[in-house]
Amino acid sequence: GAGVSQSPRYKVAKRGQDVALRCDPISGHVSLFWYQQALGQGPEFLTYFQNEAQLDKSGLPSDRFFAERPEGSVSTLKIQRTQQEDSAVYLCASSFFATNEKLFFGSGTQLSVL
Amino acid sequence: SQQGEEDPQALSIQEGENATMNCSYKTSINNLQWYRQNSGRGLVHLILIRSNEREKHSGRLRVTLDTSKKSSSLLITASRAADTASYFCATDGGNNRLAFGKGNQVVVIP
Repeated sequence: GAGVSQSPRYKVAKRGQDVALRCDPISGHVSLFWYQQALGQGPEFLTYFQNEAQLDKSGLPSDRFFAERPEGSVSTLKIQRTQQEDSAVYLCASSFFATNEKLFFGSGTQLSVL
Repeated sequence: SQQGEEDPQALSIQEGENATMNCSYKTSINNLQWYRQNSGRGLVHLILIRSNEREKHSGRLRVTLDTSKKSSSLLITASRAADTASYFCATDGGNNRLAFGKGNQVVVIP
């Protein structure tokens, strides 16, 4: 594909519901990042993959958040038992290199927890 | 927590004018990057400057870096309506995570 693709574009969840957010990075990109962006704020780091290996998950806010990239391409961010404070835009980014230089971002998934 | 802090937070200018925004950070860095975000979209990489560089140009963009003051500036010359967006600086402290600032909202009035 031409760029990083994220789905769904919008997700409305009831509090307590589980959600799964998908990211299709640019083909061949080694690095994949998830960021959380609150309204009016800059993105906050959640987790980082190099191929299928999750090298850093220190930004995940709680054990309700889980991310995977089993075959080193598509990644899924799962949030269990969603809370209102989880409402945000979740951005996925990928990079050709095993660094964070020049990230390509998707348009994000806007999650609203009611 | 976010490391970069941009100043000013919001800027409104006439088309053709220059726009300057600043970013400060707290810890040592490998590089500093600037990204643009249009409303409801993802971020787009604009320019990267490494810690051993002082100035860099790309088209109408000029970025400076002062590591002694832990600050950077982004200048957009001859602004266009299409430059209306939020601009974020992001620092790489060497741990593969970018720390983004809160962003500068720039409005270019045609």
